[in-house]
Amino acid sequence: EAQVTQNPRYLITVTGKKLTVTCSQNMNHEYMSWYRQDPGLGLRQIYYSMNVEVTDKGDVPEGYKVSRKEKRNFPLILESPSPNQTSLYFCASSLYRGPIDEQYFGPGTRLTVT
Amino acid sequence: ILNVEQSPQSLHVQEGDSTNFTCSFPSSNFYALHWYRWETAKSPEALFVMTLNGDEKKKGRISATLNTKEGYSYLYIKGSQPEDSATYLCAFITLLTGGGNKLTFGTGTQLKVEL
Repeated sequence: EAQVTQNPRYLITVTGKKLTVTCSQNMNHEYMSWYRQDPGLGLRQIYYSMNVEVTDKGDVPEGYKVSRKEKRNFPLILESPSPNQTSLYFCASSLYRGPIDEQYFGPGTRLTVT
Repeated sequence: ILNVEQSPQSLHVQEGDSTNFTCSFPSSNFYALHWYRWETAKSPEALFVMTLNGDEKKKGRISATLNTKEGYSYLYIKGSQPEDSATYLCAFITLLTGGGNKLTFGTGTQLKVEL
């Protein structure tokens, strides 16, 4: 089944404790992206990747890192999480023309930082 | 920061009603517009990708139009059903000077269809 998977789905952590949210897609998509969803703000792009080893900042990259060593995986790293990073996070991918192609979203990761 | 606005913010309609809502975006540097349907506790799913001025797309009872010159897109739902209840998001894609492109989501229109 074609899909985008994210893990974990739910995570409660403490300030400063490094964490990684994994994202994987099995559709051979070139473009992958991370978003955060906060009430009243809509989906905001954190980072995106046009292909392996090519990443770029979105609108709200501060406090996050990403890597794209393989085409299928695009992990989101929070080196030192803070309470303002409490949010719902979505990973998404699309075929190859960047955001011209429709995006396929993962199931979301709800992160709480205390 | 690009301004992508959706209206209304929320909408309650009765089953069988037809409804429509709006996505407004900057008319310059247009590249594409996406519509997504987002049901509670699920992930957003693509409805339409629109790229040309005057585009009209249809999927079942849902259709969309695009006016890039004036910077808006309409989403129409004919004969609303309870299963249409969801948040409808638009995403505006623009070209950046120097290459690359940028995707900006609106905050969505939350539709509730009541029996």
